[in-house]
Amino acid sequence: SQTIHQWPATLVQPVGSPLSLECTVEGTSNPNLYWYRQAAGRGLQLLFYSVGIGQISSEVPQNLSASRPQDRQFILSSKKLLLSDSGFYLCASHRAGSKYEQYFGPGTRLTVT
Amino acid sequence: QKEVEQDPGPLSVPEGAIVSLNCTYSNSAFQYFMWYRQYSRKGPELLMYTYSSGNKEDGRFTAQVDKSSKYISLFIRDSQPSDSATYLCAMVNSGTYKYIFGTGTRLKVLA
Repeated sequence: SQTIHQWPATLVQPVGSPLSLECTVEGTSNPNLYWYRQAAGRGLQLLFYSVGIGQISSEVPQNLSASRPQDRQFILSSKKLLLSDSGFYLCASHRAGSKYEQYFGPGTRLTVT
Repeated sequence: QKEVEQDPGPLSVPEGAIVSLNCTYSNSAFQYFMWYRQYSRKGPELLMYTYSSGNKEDGRFTAQVDKSSKYISLFIRDSQPSDSATYLCAMVNSGTYKYIFGTGTRLKVLA
């Protein structure tokens, strides 16, 4: 079966520090991968999506970036965190054989202080 | 106008009640529709996935899509306290990768 792993689960970082969040997917190959942010009391905001290694599309032109160094690995980064970067970061993919059936990982809760 | 509208609730019901959760949308190109359940501090869990119009049933859950009215529903029969969560609708059209999510409805099932 397919599983999405995310780490760390929780992170507290000071303003101006760098960020690296990792997502890996098991049980499938060449998946579409997504990064979302969910702010408290708000909906899901699509940040990046990737349809293959090195292919990243950005939906939000902020101080965040994404990379896909391997087929099933997706990394979200920032060089300098802002207070507004706090939120719940979710990685998503889709079921094998079902390009539009999207499912999510457990998430990383980031607090920028 | 938002692309997807969803009442935020909270919706409180007694245990055993039938729950109806709804979303309306404006883009007639949407073809794939999903419902997610999200417990506090957890990732959303996919409950139902449907393509185009019609009904789909899975246990106590029924998803309904009415494309002519741009309206989707999730029904929960015999609701349980464990169903207390936030329910998110989502939709996408083929050929794109941008899913549009509702803001979620908070449901409380009272024992």
